[in-house]
Amino acid sequence: SQKIEQNSEALNIQEGKTATLTCNYTNYSPAYLQWYRQDPGRGPVFLLLIRENEKEKRKERLKVTFDTTLKQSLFHITASQPADSATYLCALRDTGGFKTIFGAGTRLFVKA
Amino acid sequence: SQTIHQWPATLVQPVGSPLSLECTVEGTSNPNLYWYRQAAGRGLQLLFYSVGIGQISSEVPQNLSASRPQDRQFILSSKKLLLSDSGFYLCAWEQDRAKDTQYFGPGTRLTVL
Repeated sequence: SQKIEQNSEALNIQEGKTATLTCNYTNYSPAYLQWYRQDPGRGPVFLLLIRENEKEKRKERLKVTFDTTLKQSLFHITASQPADSATYLCALRDTGGFKTIFGAGTRLFVKA
Repeated sequence: SQTIHQWPATLVQPVGSPLSLECTVEGTSNPNLYWYRQAAGRGLQLLFYSVGIGQISSEVPQNLSASRPQDRQFILSSKKLLLSDSGFYLCAWEQDRAKDTQYFGPGTRLTVL
């Protein structure tokens, strides 16, 4: 069956450290993978997209890697800040499809 | 610039009552439109998507329906709500040409009692 999985346990880290979130998928052939941020009671906000032929993408303090052999994406926030505390969702679009499939998200807490 | 609106922001409805949630997009044309539901602490469940006026694809068979009467208007409806319909309903749009980023509305918190 098709699955997209994120660590359901919350991630607690100290301010200034690097947060690393994991997204694994099975039985998909994604054209690309995305990461979104969601704050409580709000809609998700797009952060980064990485395509199947890309290994790494960066944007300011954010870095995403994509390993199609391992079927895994890692999302890194360097020099984390309390304002980075939120739920982070990974999502993928299957090749040729109209649907974006979302993971359940990982809650990140950054302590000052 | 593009904006997406949803209303109402919150709604409390009794079991068996009807539902109508509205979503409108401004500043773009011919967007792909999506309805998602998010249960507490859960991921986004795709309910419906539309690639054009009157074109609706349903992902989950249930007592909900969707309509797209105008290019930038997407409506989620139900004739009789169930307790299990409670959740956070999100509308999203994407530019058909690019198809690579979804932009979400502020959401509607629905509680069915």
